Amino acid sequence: EVQLVESGGGLVQPGGSLRLSCATSGFTFSDYWMSWVRQAPGKGLEWVARIKQDGSEKYYVDSVKGRFTISRDNAKKSLCLQMDSLRAEDTAVYYCVRGGWCPELWGQGTLVTVSS
Amino acid sequence: EIVMTQSPATLSVSPGERATLSCRASQSVSSNLAWYQQRPGQAPRLLMYGESTRATGLPANFSGSGSGTDFTLTISSLQSEDFAVYYCQQYNNWPWTFGQGTKVEIK
Repeated sequence: EVQLVESGGGLVQPGGSLRLSCATSGFTFSDYWMSWVRQAPGKGLEWVARIKQDGSEKYYVDSVKGRFTISRDNAKKSLCLQMDSLRAEDTAVYYCVRGGWCPELWGQGTLVTVSS
Repeated sequence: EIVMTQSPATLSVSPGERATLSCRASQSVSSNLAWYQQRPGQAPRLLMYGESTRATGLPANFSGSGSGTDFTLTISSLQSEDFAVYYCQQYNNWPWTFGQGTKVEIK
């Protein structure tokens, strides 16, 4: 079965760090761009970052540049998002998605809450 | 950053009727526009992308049109499962950006 399963979300204090992971199965992971998209509670969608198949290209939205790092391990078929210096406005459900432009495959998301 | 504006914010439609959703970009995005559906508690689902290409398994009562700055998603005959929030997204200029969404509710 083709699927994406996120993990690593939780409650963290402002200024703290969190590492999200996305385990994939059912497709050739190394063939695809991968991305993270987030959705604040009750709000719309924001594309956070994307990474090329071999990890040689990475793109970030300005609001997370310098604080978040996207990475991948093709051998383990996994995607990660290291989030540092977290802010209240980073509170959201984070979705792992397959693709770098208009993804057809989405995970169910993991909730990150930044609060003291 | 390209700003995507969707209208209306809420659309009240009776089952079986047609729904027309609009999306406008602050500058041309060519045909690099996608539409998503999101039901409560679920992840978004890709509906359409490009000129008017349907995602895998999408029923034929969904259609898309437009290019440049003005786009439309039409649902020809609303079924119960179609009542949801719909988002447009441009992938022409990084960062890719989404509209704020149109909620299609039962009239």
